[in-house]
Amino acid sequence: EVQLVESGGGLVQPGGSLRLSCAASGFTFSNYWMGWVRQAPGKGLEWVANINQDGSEKAYVDSVKGRFTISRDNAKNSLYLQMNSLRAEDTAVYYCLGGDYAGYWGQGTLVTVSS
Amino acid sequence: QAVVTQEPSLTVSPGGTVTLTCGSSTGAVTSGHYPYWFQQKPGQAPRTLIYETSNKHSWTPARFSGSLLGGKGALTLSGAQPEDEAEYYCLLSYSGARRTWVFGGGTKLTVL
Repeated sequence: EVQLVESGGGLVQPGGSLRLSCAASGFTFSNYWMGWVRQAPGKGLEWVANINQDGSEKAYVDSVKGRFTISRDNAKNSLYLQMNSLRAEDTAVYYCLGGDYAGYWGQGTLVTVSS
Repeated sequence: QAVVTQEPSLTVSPGGTVTLTCGSSTGAVTSGHYPYWFQQKPGQAPRTLIYETSNKHSWTPARFSGSLLGGKGALTLSGAQPEDEAEYYCLLSYSGARRTWVFGGGTKLTVL
């Protein structure tokens, strides 16, 4: 059974940092690009970042460039999102996504940026 | 970055047919935008229905189909069921120094 399980969300103050993780199982993680998508409360989906199979290519939405870093560890079947200089507008459920033609989604982890 | 547009809401009768569209602020949507379609029900994670314009995953009900229509991406639901009531999002890919992705704002589909 394919699973993507996010962790690392929580409450953080503006300007703070969090590192999200996504543990993958049930498919050959290293064969696929992976990404992060977020959804602010009551809002639509927003693509955040992508990474290719070996981690050599990364892309970000403009609003997180210079603050967020996507990475992966294929030996651990894990995807990461390092989030620095967090802002209130980064408050959202963060989903990891990927696998065969973006077929797999995690259940999401909530990040709340508030003082 | 580009803006992707969808109808905010649509209504379809049970058993009826409806087409949702996905436009781009940069011009016509083509297969080079690799259109994706996702379904999200309240309180759930999204689910991928269609990839690269018209391809279905194994779990995609046969009543859903994807295409290009009039310069836009399109998702057609033929024979709507009550369980199809959901939010639908399209996603387009834009090439550049790095390939980036943009979601549309979503279409709330009501089956009534």
